[in-house]
Amino acid sequence: DAKTTQPPSMDCAEGRAANLPCNHSTISGNEYVYWYRQIHSQGPQYIIHGLKNNETNEMASLIITEDRKSSTLILPHATLRDTAVYYCIVGQGGKLIFGQGTELSVKP
Amino acid sequence: DSGVTQTPKHLITATGQRVTLRCSPRSGDLSVYWYQQSLDQGLQFLIQYYNGEERAKGNILERFSAQQFPDLHSELNLSSLELGDSALYFCASSPQTGASLNYGYTFGSGTRLTVV
Repeated sequence: DAKTTQPPSMDCAEGRAANLPCNHSTISGNEYVYWYRQIHSQGPQYIIHGLKNNETNEMASLIITEDRKSSTLILPHATLRDTAVYYCIVGQGGKLIFGQGTELSVKP
Repeated sequence: DSGVTQTPKHLITATGQRVTLRCSPRSGDLSVYWYQQSLDQGLQFLIQYYNGEERAKGNILERFSAQQFPDLHSELNLSSLELGDSALYFCASSPQTGASLNYGYTFGSGTRLTVV
C-alpha cells in the first residue's frame, strides 16, 4: 500500500505557484520522497526527490518538513501544460508504490 | 523521448490469448520495472529486475511472467488473457537499485493492451 496521503484534486490559476501537499507520517530514516506526474495517459514523469533537505531543479522545488512527516511540491509558475496527476511516493529505491495522487488543474 | 522504448504501442487481442510486451531500458540502466495501469486500479507495481535477476514482486498474477535478458531488455508475458487485463502497461528503468538510489525512474510511453 502507498505510504502517502494527498488531496485528490486541486486547482491553480495559470502563472501562479502551485503548492501540492503530501503527508508521509510513517516515513523511515532512509526513505526518500519522490514526486512524479502523469499527463493524461502518458508515462509518469520524474520531477524531483529528496531525503532531508529542500531540493530545487528546473521543474520544481521540494520542501520537506524537519520531522520529514510531510512535504510540499512547488511549481513556481504553473502553466496549462502542468495540468496532470501528481504522485508523491516514499521509498528507498527498488519498487516505488504509487498512490492515487493529486489531480492538478491549471486554469487560465 | 525518455530513452525507454516499449513495443508495441497498441495491442488488441482476444480472451484466452497470450501476448508479449517488450521494453528496452535507457542506456546504462540496469533495473527494469513493470507497472500496470487500469482505470479503476491506478498504477500497480508488477515486478522488478536488476541486471537479469528478479528483485521484487508486486501484485503480479500467476498468468503473467517476466524476464530480463543479458542485453538488459525485458519482456512481460501475459497469458490466458481476460477482459480485466485490458490496461496500460508501463516499463521504467533506473541505473541501480537499493537504498543508494539517487535517481528517479524513467518511464516509457507504455503499451495499451485491449482484450476483446
